Amino acid sequence: GAVVSQHPSRVICKSGTSVKIECRSLDFQATTMFWYRQFPKQSLMLMATSNEGSKATYEQGVEKDKFLINHASLTLSTLTVTSAHPEDSSFYICSARWRGTYEQYFGPGTRLTVT
Amino acid sequence: AQRVTQPEKLLSVFKGAPVELKCNYSYSGSPELFWYVQYSRQRLQLLLRHISRESIKGFTADLNKGETSFHLKKPFAQEEDSAMYYCAPSCSNDYKLSFGAGTTVTVRA
Repeated sequence: GAVVSQHPSRVICKSGTSVKIECRSLDFQATTMFWYRQFPKQSLMLMATSNEGSKATYEQGVEKDKFLINHASLTLSTLTVTSAHPEDSSFYICSARWRGTYEQYFGPGTRLTVT
Repeated sequence: AQRVTQPEKLLSVFKGAPVELKCNYSYSGSPELFWYVQYSRQRLQLLLRHISRESIKGFTADLNKGETSFHLKKPFAQEEDSAMYYCAPSCSNDYKLSFGAGTTVTVRA
């Protein structure tokens, strides 16, 4: 149980375009979803926290207009990278938790390459 | 400021030898503490959490509030323990995880 999926697993887009990444909890209702960014051989950096039905909370230094997060249902959150630039190329990982638990369950990640 | 320190970036041990991964944290309040593991080409997964006091795959972690440490230990390392390990405290009020830099463990035959 507690499976989180991400789609797509890999995406290449051109500079200036927008790309959407989906995060789904497959077998539980996710009260909260988190979005992380991971650079090669580095740790995970939390970008934002997304609660169902409310606006996402962004970490300091993360541009909310650049990284649009929507948590429309208890099983789906999306991250849209707007007007992507090569420096946005990274590995984006989501995680989810349900009410009353600390544990986060992680998706497999999405590799974004902006050319 | 909240901070998590994993001083060892790389750790190499022989199979059957003990392994200890250090984690020190600086947090206000009493955070919940976790160790997450990432095996090669797999997603991040929970290894163990302090609150449950479990031993998972032979690993244990002792919380020392005085030293604000949560070191991970295993008495006899196995080759399948080769992975990246992250220490991650979490505040009780927001459930966010703060990941340390991670320690890459290589267990040699």
